[in-house]
Amino acid sequence: EAQVTQNPRYLITVTGKKLTVTCSQNMNHEYMSWYRQDPGLGLRQIYYSMNVEVTDKGDVPEGYKVSRKEKRNFPLILESPSPNQTSLYFCASSLAPSSYNEQFFGPGTRLTVL
Amino acid sequence: AQSVTQLDSQVPVFEEAPVELRCNYSSSVSVYLFWYVQYPNQGLQLLLKYLSGSTLVKGINGFEAEFNKSQTSFHLRKPSVHISDTAEYFCAVSDSGGYQKVTFGTGTKLQVIP
Repeated sequence: EAQVTQNPRYLITVTGKKLTVTCSQNMNHEYMSWYRQDPGLGLRQIYYSMNVEVTDKGDVPEGYKVSRKEKRNFPLILESPSPNQTSLYFCASSLAPSSYNEQFFGPGTRLTVL
Repeated sequence: AQSVTQLDSQVPVFEEAPVELRCNYSSSVSVYLFWYVQYPNQGLQLLLKYLSGSTLVKGINGFEAEFNKSQTSFHLRKPSVHISDTAEYFCAVSDSGGYQKVTFGTGTKLQVIP
């Protein structure tokens, strides 16, 4: 089954404790992206990647890191999480970076930083 | 830069009644337009998209949307809603050139009342 998977689905952590949210897609997609969803703000892009070893900042990159060492994986790293990073996070992928392509979303990771 | 406005944060509607979810966009160039749906505790999935051609676009689950360039709108409609349509709906816009920079609206929660 073609899908985007994220782990963990739920995470409660404390301020300053480094964490990684994994994202993997099995569709051989070139483009991958991370979003955060907050009430009243919709989805905001954190980072995106056009292909292996090619990443760039989205609209709200502060406090996050990413890497793209393999085509299928695009982990999101919070080196020192803070309470304002409490949010619902989505990973997405699409066949190519072209702006007309549909994005396929993972099920989400709900992060709480205490 | 592009932007999307979804003026209605919540829309309650009775089952089998018609519904329209409003979306207005702003962009200095030609755009592609999308509607995504997010069912409870799930990621987003594509409902429909407008790339070019006919301004009336049909999507899954009986939804349709009409692109109106003069009014910069892309409203989503369904003639008769079901309980299963209860979800959050996101309008999104991307520039028709270049890479995939997609801007999402803040979402509209559709509540179908039995």
